[in-house]
Amino acid sequence: SSELTQDPAVSVASGQTVRITCQGDSLRSYYASWYQQKPGQAPVVVIHDKDKRPSGIPDRFSGSSSGNTASLTITGALAEDEAVYYCNSRDSSANRVVFGGGTKLTVL
Amino acid sequence: EVQLVESGGGLVKPGRSLRLSCSASGFTFDDYAMHWVRQAPGKGLEWVSGISWNSGGIGYADSVKGRFTISRDNAKNSLYLQMNSLRVEDTALYYCSKAGHFRFYDWYCDHWGQGTLVTVSS
Repeated sequence: SSELTQDPAVSVASGQTVRITCQGDSLRSYYASWYQQKPGQAPVVVIHDKDKRPSGIPDRFSGSSSGNTASLTITGALAEDEAVYYCNSRDSSANRVVFGGGTKLTVL
Repeated sequence: EVQLVESGGGLVKPGRSLRLSCSASGFTFDDYAMHWVRQAPGKGLEWVSGISWNSGGIGYADSVKGRFTISRDNAKNSLYLQMNSLRVEDTALYYCSKAGHFRFYDWYCDHWGQGTLVTVSS
């Protein structure tokens, strides 16, 4: 089965831009989705199909992909963006899904 | 408004069984794939199992394959997870989630329930 690798933690100064990455072989074939999870809450999708933003998600969130790496970029991070971010994609095995280990974002 | 409400969690001894349910409303249930995703205390998200809109496609994580069975009843707008031979490492908050695309077994989940807690302990 495939794996998705994320940096465990990233920090950014308030108002600056931060990129969170997700690496895995399955990303060469399938788009990544990105989820934001705050303490005690269920995950919320912020990007799907590589770069699509659901309604209600601020446009400071954007997604991209190249080769085996998908990226979530927050342009002008705010304190409210502090959360754990997970990527996911389809596994190379039939009908399986895989999540990355998550990246804890701290906004300084 | 889409609502997903999980139930059936609780405290169970190792080796025993438990059946989780997810009641769905606010969308045409039989047009969307559904997934179970779990989160152990203080850990990340782990996909457990998924099922296509018509039950024609089903998948399991290696960690649960052979022990867990996913099913759905489209007439009752409900998703289920039968969990047998439970282990201590199955302890987690189990989320029910709805796939985002119409009649596509996809990994993009646009709505999540609040989860039901399963604790496996002797």
